[in-house]
Amino acid sequence: SYVLTQPPSVSVAPGQTAKITCGGIKIGDKSVNWYQQKPGQAPLLVVFDDSDRPSGVPERLSASNSANRATLTISRVEPGDEADYYCQVWDSDLVFGGGTKLTVL
Amino acid sequence: HVQLVESGGGVVQPGGSLRLSCEASGFSFSDYGMSWVRQARGKGLEWVALIRNDGKNKEYADPVKGRFTISRDKSKKTLFLQLNSLKADDTAVYFCAKGSSSGLYPHYDYWGQGTLVTVTP
Repeated sequence: SYVLTQPPSVSVAPGQTAKITCGGIKIGDKSVNWYQQKPGQAPLLVVFDDSDRPSGVPERLSASNSANRATLTISRVEPGDEADYYCQVWDSDLVFGGGTKLTVL
Repeated sequence: HVQLVESGGGVVQPGGSLRLSCEASGFSFSDYGMSWVRQARGKGLEWVALIRNDGKNKEYADPVKGRFTISRDKSKKTLFLQLNSLKADDTAVYFCAKGSSSGLYPHYDYWGQGTLVTVTP
């Protein structure tokens, strides 16, 4: 089955830029979605179809997808961005990455 | 606005059964595929099952095939997950999620708050 690999954790100071990667074989050929999950809450869709943002998601969150890596970029990081982030694709079924905990220092 | 409210979770012994429900409102339920996704405590998201908008096409993750059954009732605007032959590894919060379309590969734009299933002797 298809595997998505994310770093377990990323740390960044407020105001800096965080990059969260999602690796997968030829992931660039797939459509990648990203979800944010804060403790005790349901996941929230923050990026769909590689780089589109649902309404209400700030422009500070952007994403790209190419070759074997997709990347979620959070610019001007704020304390409220601290959360777990999951990438997701469709292969033969629905696949999630293992998740990355973003810590705002 | 879109709301998804899960219920039916609880504590059950290994080998037991539960039926989870997800009541939907704020959108045309019959037009969208739905999925169940679970999350064990401290772990990541794991897709469990999906059902297309027509209710005819269903798919399951390997760990639950033959034990779980997804269904939907358009008149009640409710999604169900029947859990049978439960194992300790099935212990998790179960979320229902609304697909973004009736298409084959939607993203999930709305999620419920989840219902906890605990399988313990």
